[in-house]
Amino acid sequence: AIQVTQSPSSLSASVGDRVTMTCRTSQDVRNALFWCRQKPGKPPQLLIFDVSRLRSGVPSRFSGGRSGADFILTINSVQPEDVGTYYCVQNLNFPVTFGQGTKLDLK
Amino acid sequence: QLQESGPGLVKPAQTLSLTCSVSGVSITAAGHYWSWVRQFAGKGLEWVGYIFYSGATYYNPSVQGRAFVSRDTSQNQVSLELTSLTAADSAVYFCVGGFRIVDTWGQGMLVTVSS
Repeated sequence: AIQVTQSPSSLSASVGDRVTMTCRTSQDVRNALFWCRQKPGKPPQLLIFDVSRLRSGVPSRFSGGRSGADFILTINSVQPEDVGTYYCVQNLNFPVTFGQGTKLDLK
Repeated sequence: QLQESGPGLVKPAQTLSLTCSVSGVSITAAGHYWSWVRQFAGKGLEWVGYIFYSGATYYNPSVQGRAFVSRDTSQNQVSLELTSLTAADSAVYFCVGGFRIVDTWGQGMLVTVSS
């Protein structure tokens, strides 16, 4: 199975900060990379698909990209509602595999 | 929308049966996946398996031979059976579906395996 590794495991930001988190896969997954966010007590929700495409309704402060072997999720100007755990997910090969998550909270 | 249902407590060695009722889209809509994903208490997520719109299924090798995903097209429901349960199967089970494999998630069903 393709391994998915996220970093950092947690980060703390102030409202208005720009934050980035990274996901690395054990082999190239081409564009088959999603980002989901899970708020406390809720199921995960899809934010970004195909590395960089925002799902309808997702604020434009979110962006996804790739730098070499790293997939990057950026939030420009963090808002209070962005708190939660962010997971990257690959579906190039089955089984679909998830990263262990990056937990974002507010300072 | 996706809604899971089933028992919250099952005994070791027994079989877990969960149902996902899907509304707003047919489970036979072209290109759609209907998966079961579980989340352990430590928050890690594990994809269990899926049934494709065509009826094809695929399972995570971690549960191979114990998991069975089926569908009832007349009820627009997808089901999961997981046999030979152990405490390690205790988790929140999510029904997940859509054209993009993690498009839409149900609220989740907490399943505890305990005698």
